[in-house]
Amino acid sequence: AQTVTQSQPEMSVQEAETVTLSCTYDTSENNYYLFWYKQPPSRQMILVIRQEAYKQQNATENRFSVNFQKAAKSFSLKISDSQLGDTAMYFCALTGFGEYGNKLVFGAGTILRVKS
Amino acid sequence: NAGVTQTPKFRILKIGQSMTLQCTQDMNHNYMYWYRQDPGMGLKLIYYSVGAGITDKGEVPNGYNVSRSTTEDFPLRLELAAPSQTSVYFCASTPGQGNYGYTFGSGTRLTVV
Repeated sequence: AQTVTQSQPEMSVQEAETVTLSCTYDTSENNYYLFWYKQPPSRQMILVIRQEAYKQQNATENRFSVNFQKAAKSFSLKISDSQLGDTAMYFCALTGFGEYGNKLVFGAGTILRVKS
Repeated sequence: NAGVTQTPKFRILKIGQSMTLQCTQDMNHNYMYWYRQDPGMGLKLIYYSVGAGITDKGEVPNGYNVSRSTTEDFPLRLELAAPSQTSVYFCASTPGQGNYGYTFGSGTRLTVV
């Protein structure tokens, strides 16, 4: 089975500071993708960033970057220069190929609160 | 380009009632999914489909049924609603295997009383 674990139920950060959200996962597949999704109070699921497992270079999207450690099965999200609009639930997710098809498996989420 | 459209956005059901949650996508995506999200939790897969006429169970299928008669539509049927089915339901789609990303609908908040 594929599993995703987010060990931080809640986090808070001051505006303009940097915060890192943790995610670990387990899969038996060699080729897979990892994602971070943001869910604001509107409950819309918004893709933040994605990482292809066979790429060693960490993905970056503006203020969002990841630290992908394949051997450790770790996929953390760093948010730089935090903004009030970053306040949301953040989900780490994994999808593979093979027997798991294209099913997206989610972690339990981390609530991030950005304080002014 | 509407993406993934879910209806209704909110619904209150009485125990034992039935209803269908509608999901339509206009992107010609082959893969479609139904997830449920309980309060403060992640999304759990109910059912999925890899193309018209093909459906399969996910992690939490009990109490639900689906059909996929067309590429565009993937309705989720709740029979004999129970309080345990109170949740937010999301429909999602993706073109196929690979790093295409997933498009989510805006969700349906269902309360069973």
